[in-house]
Amino acid sequence: ETGVTQTPRHLVMGMTNKKSLKCEQHLGHNAMYWYKQSAKKPLELMFVYNFKEQTENNSVPSRFSPECPNSSHLFLHLHTLQPEDSALYLCASSQASWGLAGAVAKNIQYFGAGTRLSVL
Amino acid sequence: RKEVEQDPGPFNVPEGATVAFNCTYSNSASQSFFWYRQDCRKEPKLLMSVYSSGNEDGRFTAQLNRASQYISLLIRDSKLSDSATYLCVVNPRDDKIIFGKGTRLHILP
Repeated sequence: ETGVTQTPRHLVMGMTNKKSLKCEQHLGHNAMYWYKQSAKKPLELMFVYNFKEQTENNSVPSRFSPECPNSSHLFLHLHTLQPEDSALYLCASSQASWGLAGAVAKNIQYFGAGTRLSVL
Repeated sequence: RKEVEQDPGPFNVPEGATVAFNCTYSNSASQSFFWYRQDCRKEPKLLMSVYSSGNEDGRFTAQLNRASQYISLLIRDSKLSDSATYLCVVNPRDDKIIFGKGTRLHILP
């Protein structure tokens, strides 16, 4: 148990569906991340939130919409996905602090178990 | 050169043997380095941080070579339970984290 909980663990959805992935961390961290892991590809960072503010969006298509209502919760809203979006979606958290350039996340990350998404 | 590069393997190693693999990185200003372990269909978990002076944790030794821009992981007296994918993680600047594709390790009985 890493202290990062993701739900659901498995999700099958059609291309016209709307669904949301949820992540909750109980570690007192203030930085949260969404990653995508496809077969035979490295982990791809999608979004970063430091102190509830989105600080990174790695050219992710708009059919993925993140939401961070507080430092413990992170959502990924999905709509009109494509079959190639099928993957393992991992949430992670870490401790962040304020640096000269703003929020700086410490880089030891704790991952949730992931949501395995299949888009039909 | 890719930002972070690892030999994907698989490395098939008999139980009890010593195995080592490297990870190269392109940004010489990279600040932090880590090894994560990911079991099949599970999430990545931190194995160890990599310090400039090298560090050891039981059977695992991690080293950093800044001149040649690589980090290494050495596993001694390998166990069946060491079978996993080992991910190299590099932090080229404060707000960026890059994962390698991972090296698959199979320990054979």
